[in-house]
Amino acid sequence: ETGVTQSPTHLIKTRGQQVTLRCSSQSGHNTVSWYQQALGQGPQFIFQYYREEENGRGNFPPRFSGLQFPNYSSELNVNALELDDSALYLCASSLGRESGNEQFFGPGTRLTVL
Amino acid sequence: AQSVTQPDIHITVSEGASLELRCNYSYGATPYLFWYVQSPGQGLQLLLKYFSGDTLVQGIKGFEAEFKRSQSSFNLRKPSVHWSDAAEYFCAVGAGYSSASKIIFGSGTRLSIRP
Repeated sequence: ETGVTQSPTHLIKTRGQQVTLRCSSQSGHNTVSWYQQALGQGPQFIFQYYREEENGRGNFPPRFSGLQFPNYSSELNVNALELDDSALYLCASSLGRESGNEQFFGPGTRLTVL
Repeated sequence: AQSVTQPDIHITVSEGASLELRCNYSYGATPYLFWYVQSPGQGLQLLLKYFSGDTLVQGIKGFEAEFKRSQSSFNLRKPSVHWSDAAEYFCAVGAGYSSASKIIFGSGTRLSIRP
């Protein structure tokens, strides 16, 4: 059984650029959640996708967008990057969208915005 | 609004000593509660979770946590820590069912182990 994988591992961008982060969910999982973890902070919920549809969103602006594909892999897109977007971006997959379902986390993508 | 507070930013304990990490939550209904551990360069790993029933829950790696509704607390304990337990620990509350079902994390407690 393959766990949650994310790519790339690290990424450096400049202000104003756009970035796409990718996540492959664990086999059989139909739900993907994305979190932003700033340095020294706990992860903050960005949004969740369940069976290719957005199923809830945290307090993030519209320039944070996502997609989930038929194989349940997912992308996180961030437009017009700002310095404060520098963070570790975590993807988590689960079997079902309920809060009680265990979420399995990937190792994250470290994004640095200069 | 739901929230999680971990009052201790950094704790250092000696190897073999007992450990208690504090967590307080704010939630209007019976919460789903979690403890996660994050080692450097790693993703988050679930240690244990509480949904209902017995208020003392056992997790992996010898950890346990006790849910106290009257105190809105869910403290994590381990009777004897090992050097490999050094990591960042996050308490979290599950907010919602079906729609906007997200997990809200505390800011974390960094655990250091003294040899």
